[in-house]
Amino acid sequence: DVKVTQSSRYLVKRTGEKVFLECVQDMDHENMFWYRQDPGLGLRLIYFSYDVKMKEKGDIPEGYSVSREKKERFSLILESASTNQTSMYLCASSQQGYTGELFFGEGSRLTVL
Amino acid sequence: SQQGEEDPQALSIQEGENATMNCSYKTSINNLQWYRQNSGRGLVHLILIRSNEREKHSGRLRVTLDTSKKSSSLLITASRAADTASYFCATDPKAAGNKLTFGGGTRVLVKP
Repeated sequence: DVKVTQSSRYLVKRTGEKVFLECVQDMDHENMFWYRQDPGLGLRLIYFSYDVKMKEKGDIPEGYSVSREKKERFSLILESASTNQTSMYLCASSQQGYTGELFFGEGSRLTVL
Repeated sequence: SQQGEEDPQALSIQEGENATMNCSYKTSINNLQWYRQNSGRGLVHLILIRSNEREKHSGRLRVTLDTSKKSSSLLITASRAADTASYFCATDPKAAGNKLTFGGGTRVLVKP
């Protein structure tokens, strides 16, 4: 079975803390994505990556950065967490050059106090 | 604003009934996909329909696509309590590269 694993299901952080959200996929996919999901707003794309060390801004990159040092791992970084970054974060992956099926992780629910 | 928007936002039906939800989008697409999300979990892919297709079936799911109206519908026949979930459409806009854009979702409650 294909698998996308997000390191933490639930996190609680304080304003100003640095937050790392890790995502690992075992399908040898080239494409990886970070979305955030908020009620009524659907999923919004934060960053995506087509290859190792490659990154592209999505629709809402402000306040976030990403790292892709290895093909299977895509990390989302909040340099200084703020309360408006409280959200559900979803990682996904897909095959290269193909806007087909996305495989999602279980999500990381982040609360920033 | 979102490329895809689902309608209705919420739907409550009895087990055995059919559930229909719609998705409208704004720009030309390569394909349109539907996903399901159980409460607090990740999304699971249900079905993909390409821009040159009009209808597609998968088990109890039927998806239609009308590119002239820029809309799609998802029909779940003979619904079960296990179909209770949120359903999202996702579009692959031709101008956006390999990115999917998701709508706000339809929450479906199937009562036993």
